Amino acid sequence: EVQVVESGGGLVQPGRSLRLSCAASGFTFDDYAMHWVRQAPGKGLEWIAGINWIGGSVAYADSVKGRFTISRDNAKNSLFLQMNSLRLEDTAFYYCARDRTARMTAADYWGQGTLVTVSS
Amino acid sequence: EIVMTQSPATLSVSPGERASLSCRTSQTVTNNLAWYQQKPGQAPRLLIHGASTRATGVPARFSGSGSGTDFTLTISSLQSEDFAVYFCQQYHNWPLTFGGGTKVEI
Repeated sequence: EVQVVESGGGLVQPGRSLRLSCAASGFTFDDYAMHWVRQAPGKGLEWIAGINWIGGSVAYADSVKGRFTISRDNAKNSLFLQMNSLRLEDTAFYYCARDRTARMTAADYWGQGTLVTVSS
Repeated sequence: EIVMTQSPATLSVSPGERASLSCRTSQTVTNNLAWYQQKPGQAPRLLIHGASTRATGVPARFSGSGSGTDFTLTISSLQSEDFAVYFCQQYHNWPLTFGGGTKVEI
């Protein structure tokens, strides 16, 4: 069974950092691109970062470019999101999602999300 | 960045009726468009990719059409479990972008 499980969310002060992790199982991790998508409570979906199967191509939303870094460790079937200089508006549920393909297209398996709350 | 506009914001329908949801993009995305369904408290679920290809396990009552800048998700006969929020997403250009969503309610 394909599973992606996020961890690392929590309460953090503005300006601080947080690192999210996503543990993948049930599929050959390095065959697929991966994404981070967030959703502020009661709001819509916002794609924030993606990475291709090998990690050679990454892309970011303008709202997080320069502050967030996506990475992956194929040997450990893991995806990461390093979030620096956090802002109040970064408060959201953060979803890890598997792409259908090796490059960045549509996401066919999603985790249940981890909540990041940025507050002083 | 490609801007995605979904309409209507809310669609009120009755079970058994047909629902048509619109998604327009600010520039062409050819057929690089996906549709997702999200129910309260749940993660999104992929319904359609490539504008018209149903994802694995998606019932045939869901269909996608369109290309270029105008797309439609049609639910042919609404079931109770279809009441949810639906999002379109383009993957033609980086950054990938989502529409604001259409809530399908009774």
